Amino acid sequence: EVQLAQSGAEVRKPGESLKISCKASGYIFTTYWIGWVRQMPGKGLEWMTIIYPGNSDSRYSPSFQGQVTISADKSINTAYLQWGSLKASDTATYYCARYSLLEGHSAGWIDYWGQGTLVTVSS
Amino acid sequence: DIVVTQSPDSLAVSLGERATINCKSSQSVLYSSNNKNYLAWYQQKPGQPPKLLIYWASTRESGVPDRFSGSGSGTDFSLTISSLQAEDVAVYYCHQYYSTPRRFGQGTKVEIK
Repeated sequence: EVQLAQSGAEVRKPGESLKISCKASGYIFTTYWIGWVRQMPGKGLEWMTIIYPGNSDSRYSPSFQGQVTISADKSINTAYLQWGSLKASDTATYYCARYSLLEGHSAGWIDYWGQGTLVTVSS
Repeated sequence: DIVVTQSPDSLAVSLGERATINCKSSQSVLYSSNNKNYLAWYQQKPGQPPKLLIYWASTRESGVPDRFSGSGSGTDFSLTISSLQAEDVAVYYCHQYYSTPRRFGQGTKVEIK
């Protein structure tokens, strides 16, 4: 059974750094794209970034390029999302998402979701 | 950059009646080499992560009730709930996976009238 177990809720001050995690199980981690989706309070889903753990190839939405960094540790089947300097506007729930695999190893639709990690940034 | 826009933003439907949500992409998401539309639909209930309903614009995910159906091609798509049930109250999102960034629609909130 595919599972994506995300790290717990975090509270940080503006300017602080943060790294949240998503531990995958139930499938071969290196052969599926995995990524992150933001949902600000009361708002819709925003596609952020995606990584292929097999070779660390990554893609970013222009809205998030330079603001966050995605990474993956193949040895422990875990994907990460990190911020160097948080802003109050980063307050949101962040979902880890696994993508179905299409021909040519490209990412398809999201077939599995983590439970979400609430990040609160407040002074 | 393909933008997807849903309509309406919200709708209220009586139990047992039909609900239809529209999704329009700024460019075609139909891939000519395989004649498939790279569009999915998700359902999100309060306090829960989204759940996959439909992929390839019209293929129902395993376990999804057959009252949910997807249609359309190219740039215009629809999600239809043929007979609305109380458990269908949720926000529904379309999502294009044709190109990066793989944007979501803004969401459509479905309520009971």
